[in-house]
Order: sequence, then C-alpha cells, then structure tokens
Amino acid sequence: NAGVTQTPKFRVLKTGQSMTLLCAQDMNHEYMYWYRQDPGMGLRLIHYSVGEGTTAKGEVPDGYNVSRLKKQNFLLGLESAAPSQTSVYFCASSYRQGAREQYFGPGTRLTVT
Amino acid sequence: GQQLNQSPQSMFIQEGEDVSMNCTSSSIFNTWLWYKQEPGEGPVLLIALYKAGELTSNGRLTAQFGITRKDSFLNISASIPSDVGIYFCAGQNYGGSQGNLIFGKGTKLSVKP
Repeated sequence: NAGVTQTPKFRVLKTGQSMTLLCAQDMNHEYMYWYRQDPGMGLRLIHYSVGEGTTAKGEVPDGYNVSRLKKQNFLLGLESAAPSQTSVYFCASSYRQGAREQYFGPGTRLTVT
Repeated sequence: GQQLNQSPQSMFIQEGEDVSMNCTSSSIFNTWLWYKQEPGEGPVLLIALYKAGELTSNGRLTAQFGITRKDSFLNISASIPSDVGIYFCAGQNYGGSQGNLIFGKGTKLSVKP
C-alpha cells in the first residue's frame, strides 16, 4: 500500500495564480483532511471531509476550496494565491472522524511570490 | 477554541540521555496522540492514548495520558541520533467537528552524537 500520497511535492506560484493540490489514499479511509504547517505554528486544519461528496471547514478555511468526488481523493484548491498561503500542506486520512489515528502524506511545499 | 501548550519548544541533548516533553490543555481530551516529523516528511504516529492514566510504550518511547485528561507526557529513553525530529502532541474529542485533532506547536529535538 502506498498509504497517503500527495502531488505535487513542490510548487512556486505567483500572486493571483490558481492551483490544485491532489491527495490520494489507498486505505479505504472514510475521512480525509487538509492541514497547513507554518514555522512555530504546528499543524492547522484547513478543511476536512467525512465521506465522498462531503466537505467541511476547519480552523483556517479562508482562501481555500476542497472537493471529494471520489472516496480515495481529496483536492485542495487555491483560486487566487496570496503570499500568506506560502506553507507546507499536508493531507491526512483516517478510518473515521477524529480518527483516533490519522495517517499523513509527505507534504507539498508551496511558495507564493 | 481549544489550544495545546507543548513544552519545551526545543531540546539539545547528548546521545544516551533521556528526554521528556509534555502537552497541556485548558480543556479535556478523550484521546492523546504523539507524532514525530522528520525533515521533509509528514508526521508519523508514535503512540495513541485512549484513557486517563494510561501508560503506553513503543520501544524506547513511553507516553502517558494525564489523570486530569488535560495533559500528556512523552519520554524517550537512551536517545540516539535518529531520534532527531519534531515531536507533536495532538488531542481529540469525539463528536462533530470536535472529533478533529488539535495539535501542539511541537518540540524540536536535536541529539549530539
């Protein structure tokens, strides 16, 4: 099993550009999450999904949109990137909400200039 | 919202020394999780704790779920260079959005050979 995978690994955007980050999991998990990690801030939840076709806001949802069209995939979109969105983005999945255990992908490092 | 205070923020130790770190919360959690993150990687689950007073080990790592349910501790015995990384605690409650994980800001561990 690959577990949780994320693409791309690195990306540089100019302010105002858009992009989509892809997360895929092969563990048949119901729940998926997007976090951002900034220096000294730990991990903060952006959006999450409790199942195919559902999404919900986390702690820091502004400027992001998500979609969960297939159970195994969770997409994070930035419609108009801003420098404040420079961060490392992690996707995670769990068997059920809160999970008890969440399994993380390797991360995407995004720089917005 | 709920916040976790994780301390110390960073540690520089000699190989072979024992390490202790802790997390405290202003509110009660039903589950405590400890993750380790190595440079360029996503967090990896080390230990999960499910009830107050529980003491769980994973090799040289031992974690405890505090009796008050507002704190947790992680100890690493006889540290080795591969213990280097950032250790995160995460607390969780069940039900609705409260089932999501709340992360501490991490303890960065450096080990001198």
